[in-house]
Amino acid sequence: AQSVTQLGSHVSVSEGALVLLRCNYSSSVPPYLFWYVQYPNQGLQLLLKYTSAATLVKGINGFEAEFKKSETSFHLTKPSAHMSDAAEYFCAVSEFTGNQFYFGTGTSLTVIP
Amino acid sequence: GAVVSQHPSRVICKSGTSVKIECRSLDFQATTMFWYRQFPKQSLMLMATSNEGSKATYEQGVEKDKFLINHASLTLSTLTVTSAHPEDSSFYICSAGIGGQSEAFFGQGTRLTVV
Repeated sequence: AQSVTQLGSHVSVSEGALVLLRCNYSSSVPPYLFWYVQYPNQGLQLLLKYTSAATLVKGINGFEAEFKKSETSFHLTKPSAHMSDAAEYFCAVSEFTGNQFYFGTGTSLTVIP
Repeated sequence: GAVVSQHPSRVICKSGTSVKIECRSLDFQATTMFWYRQFPKQSLMLMATSNEGSKATYEQGVEKDKFLINHASLTLSTLTVTSAHPEDSSFYICSAGIGGQSEAFFGQGTRLTVV
């Protein structure tokens, strides 16, 4: 069985500060890991994904995440927050053979001017 | 990348009526599509897996007679919410994958409001 835990349902950072959104997973097989962003009343936009290649993954909008197998983590970071980063962020895991996704509960990011 | 189109984006219906939501893969064939539901301030929960040419597989707790899924072609899956009630108001999102690839592509979502 697979599951995803996102610590912190709400995160607030100042504009220009580091963004760190936490994600831990459990999986019985080597997983594929994803971060999605969702703006109000919109669908999901893929930020980045880990698919067993490089453990440090760079995504769009300056975001990156590092896969740490020993910690079963896939935390999302961005060096400098921008106002436009305010949104809901979801971590997700999928199995190798399928496209069924298991989502975390989401983290709402607020950027303070 | 691949595109999944979902229609309508918003729908308001009266209690007791049925609503159909379409999910189309525009530039690829999808033998499997997934339907998710998202309640306000909550995460996405898988409702069912839609398989082309066969019956959908529903997650535990999801009423198959209420949420009818039809996957009649390799590019179209539909979700029909029958006899809708206000508690069915939610954000519904579909996704489709390309065989052998890890990534799934999500539709834009449908905001259903039952009044």
